[in-house]
Amino acid sequence: KNEVEQSPQNLTAQEGEFITINCSYSVGISALHWLQQHPGGGIVSLFMLSSGKKKHGRLIATINIQEKHSSLHITASHPRDSAVYICAVWNNNDMRFGAGTRLTVKP
Amino acid sequence: KAGVTQTPRYLIKTRGQQVTLSCSPISGHRSVSWYQQTPGQGLQFLFEYFSETQRNKGNFPGRFSGRQFSNSRSEMNVSTLELGDSALYLCASSLNPRDTQYFGPGTRLTVL
Repeated sequence: KNEVEQSPQNLTAQEGEFITINCSYSVGISALHWLQQHPGGGIVSLFMLSSGKKKHGRLIATINIQEKHSSLHITASHPRDSAVYICAVWNNNDMRFGAGTRLTVKP
Repeated sequence: KAGVTQTPRYLIKTRGQQVTLSCSPISGHRSVSWYQQTPGQGLQFLFEYFSETQRNKGNFPGRFSGRQFSNSRSEMNVSTLELGDSALYLCASSLNPRDTQYFGPGTRLTVL
């Protein structure tokens, strides 16, 4: 079992829909990151969380340390949100990554 | 401010050769991390450097090494290349360790 599990693996949505991507981890962490990777490989760090909730524009990230679970929400989704979203956790001495969620938003 | 730059962007090598990849962090950033991304394994952590010291290393063989210079620029080296080393190698910089990371565009290495 991977130490960082994401669901779903693939997600197709219509423009305007509310989207949720989930991340569960089984190790102790100091911080959790949500990353966005567009075709071509470029990665952008969306959020870094160690507790609670953060919001940036249409994106919201939450983390529940006790349940070892984080969610990334996208409100009013848009085709430009189409990308792979990756959850990553800092565990003591290294960073562990989820396999990613491929999101496609159709106009 | 200029972003994280990586050189070269593309590289083709043959088995047994060695390769050096370079990463220039955002000005003022002192921490640099390296990652390998492959279709099969996804993203994996290679190294983390801060103030010229390797803080952490991922689960990779000794053929993978790196260093950081006094100007925070970093290099990673892979010796005796294997076909399985073909990957996108990403560098990310941050002000300090465990701060928000800014990723470079990556170096795509192909080993033939």
